[in-house]
Amino acid sequence: GAGVSQSPRYKVAKRGQDVALRCDPISGHVSLFWYQQALGQGPEFLTYFQNEAQLDKSGLPSDRFFAERPEGSVSTLKIQRTQQEDSAVYLCASITNPGLAEETQYFGPGTRLLVL
Amino acid sequence: TQLLEQSPQFLSIQEGENLTVYCNSSSVFSSLQWYRQEPGEGPVLLVTVVTGGEVKKLKRLTFQFGDARKDSSLHITAAQPGDTGLYLCAGESYAGGTSYGKLTFGQGTILTVHP
Repeated sequence: GAGVSQSPRYKVAKRGQDVALRCDPISGHVSLFWYQQALGQGPEFLTYFQNEAQLDKSGLPSDRFFAERPEGSVSTLKIQRTQQEDSAVYLCASITNPGLAEETQYFGPGTRLLVL
Repeated sequence: TQLLEQSPQFLSIQEGENLTVYCNSSSVFSSLQWYRQEPGEGPVLLVTVVTGGEVKKLKRLTFQFGDARKDSSLHITAAQPGDTGLYLCAGESYAGGTSYGKLTFGQGTILTVHP
């Protein structure tokens, strides 16, 4: 079975440009997470969806960041007016059942964003 | 804000040596997970520990969850070059009585095992 996929894998943007990052979770997975990972650091939580509902967006660093999952499957993370500090790897992860102990969280390969 | 302090940040050892990575917090976690991440890839789950004092073994890797569920350790015996990578601990905690999988990660330990 296919794992979590993300596209594009690499994105170079000029400062001020808008970008859209896509995540295809594992089919049937209810929960979807976005994380931001700076170089050499651990991932940091951005936002969480349960089906199409965005239940937690406490980690989004500014109002330039927006995420959606309109049909409860594919999700898009959009960054408007990109800044150099937005350069990072953006990871998507999905799980089957939220709230189940020892539930495995499956991560995609990430999108590496470089803002020049 | 919950924080996980992971140490050491960098570890460079020779093949055959043993090593331990530590993950500490002042917060209690419902579970703690250890991941390994290769360059250009997402983290891959190694183990989840749930019960305070729990010890899990995965071949040459031994994982321990502290009694108070605030800290954890990863011990690798007889390290091999194939163990090279970024190791991450991540804690999951309850919010409002439920836990939905949100993870707080440590900073990571970059392990290099030289042949």
